Amino acid sequence: QSVLTQPPSVSAAPGQKVTISCSGSSSSIVNNYVSWYQRLPGTAPKLLIYDNNKRPSGIPDRFSGSKSGTSATLGITGLQTGDEADYYCGTWDSSLSAWVFGGGTKLTVL
Amino acid sequence: EVQLVASGGGLVKPGGSLRLSCAASGFIFSSYTMNWVRQAPGKGLEWVSSIDVGSDYIYYADSVKGRFTISRDNAKNSLSLQMNSLRADDTAVYYCARGGREIDYWGQGTLVTVSS
Repeated sequence: QSVLTQPPSVSAAPGQKVTISCSGSSSSIVNNYVSWYQRLPGTAPKLLIYDNNKRPSGIPDRFSGSKSGTSATLGITGLQTGDEADYYCGTWDSSLSAWVFGGGTKLTVL
Repeated sequence: EVQLVASGGGLVKPGGSLRLSCAASGFIFSSYTMNWVRQAPGKGLEWVSSIDVGSDYIYYADSVKGRFTISRDNAKNSLSLQMNSLRADDTAVYYCARGGREIDYWGQGTLVTVSS
């Protein structure tokens, strides 16, 4: 059971918007920065969002992140079939002295 | 270009040992915290261990504490994970990954299978 809680799956049509939630605690999300990762089938995870809402160079602005209290959210607009992947949130948990990840959310673009 | 190339995975019997290595290039290795993260078949990402730039701060997941040892050689730009007393539930793809506040680059992973 993951320390961070994500919905197992989300789906939406091409061109639409989807959000993925990540729920944690005061020792994880509240007091630390949240990152989001995309894992396409057969590939290593890729950083999409860091410091709650910043995008690394090369990540399109269709991807956005936000954080409020003990939760964080990844938003993806203008969905493309190539966005079908597993998405994970992650952060450092101060009380555990450990990196923690959500269980992952499988995005299906119908 | 940042590259993290993990190696050393394979098939090992329960109770056995394995040593994973990660060769880093394309960045100043000695300036970054490094990590091992694994993903078991059909499961999500699980952080295994982190080591800071000077090997002064080392952390382990409870699931591997006392069995795994992380180390680094800044002169050789390499990261290692010594895995002892391996169990079936250690079966996973092991990723070498860079970063402290955010894990920003991941290697391609090496598969460890623990089975009799």
